[in-house]
Amino acid sequence: AQKVTQAQTEISVVEKEDVTLDCVYETRDTTYYLFWYKQPPSGELVFLIRRNSFDEQNEISGRYSWNFQKSTSSFNFTITASQVVDSAVYFCALSEADNYGQNFVFGPGTRLSVLP
Amino acid sequence: SAVISQKPSRDICQRGTSLTIQCQVDSQVTMMFWYRQQPGQSLTLIATANQGSEATYESGFVIDKFPISRPNLTFSTLTVSNMSPEDSSIYLCSAEGGDFSYNEQFFGPGTRLTVL
Repeated sequence: AQKVTQAQTEISVVEKEDVTLDCVYETRDTTYYLFWYKQPPSGELVFLIRRNSFDEQNEISGRYSWNFQKSTSSFNFTITASQVVDSAVYFCALSEADNYGQNFVFGPGTRLSVLP
Repeated sequence: SAVISQKPSRDICQRGTSLTIQCQVDSQVTMMFWYRQQPGQSLTLIATANQGSEATYESGFVIDKFPISRPNLTFSTLTVSNMSPEDSSIYLCSAEGGDFSYNEQFFGPGTRLTVL
C-alpha cells in the first residue's frame, strides 16, 4: 500500500529563515506522481507542484524549491527567506501514474508557523 | 487559471438524509476530483469524476454512499447519502487539465458539512 510520511507535525521559524519540510513516501509502483499542497489558515487548498517519478531534477519556483531523491524516497520542500504569509499546513501526496488520480494518498501535513 | 465554485458553502443536516454538493468550473477541464477533509485531519481523495462514465472511487468509498455525476466538462456533483455524524467534513472539488495549464490543479472553496 502507498504511504506518505511527514514526520514534522509542526515547525516554527522566524521570518527570513529558510525552512525544509520533509516528505518520505512508500510505493511499489515504478511510475508515480508526487505533489505538494498548501492550506493557509483561511482553509483553501493551493496546489504547489506535481512531479513525475521519472523526473528527478530539482525544481525551483521563486522562494520555493523541491528536492526529489528516489534513492531515499523523499520529496522535500524548502522555503527560502520565509515570510509570514507562508504560514500554513503543507501536505505532501502520492498518486499512481498509470491510473492517474487513483490510489491517491496524502501525508498528515506539516503546520508551518512563520513568526515576524 | 480556473475559478471553481461550490454550492452550498456549508450545511447542517440531519442523520439519514442526503446532500448534493455542486461544483462548477469556469472553463472546460479534463479531470475533476472530490476530496474529504475531516476536522483537523489530512485530506482523502473520494473519487475521480469522469465525464460520460461512472466515477472511479478510491478504496473505502462506494457509489451507493457517494454517488457522483459529471454531465459535462465544467460541472460535477457529489451526493453524500444516508448521512451519519461521521460524514461531517469539508468536501472539496478540484479540477485540472483543459483550457489552462495541464500542470496546474485548482480547488474549490469547499463545502463544510455538519451532520447532527
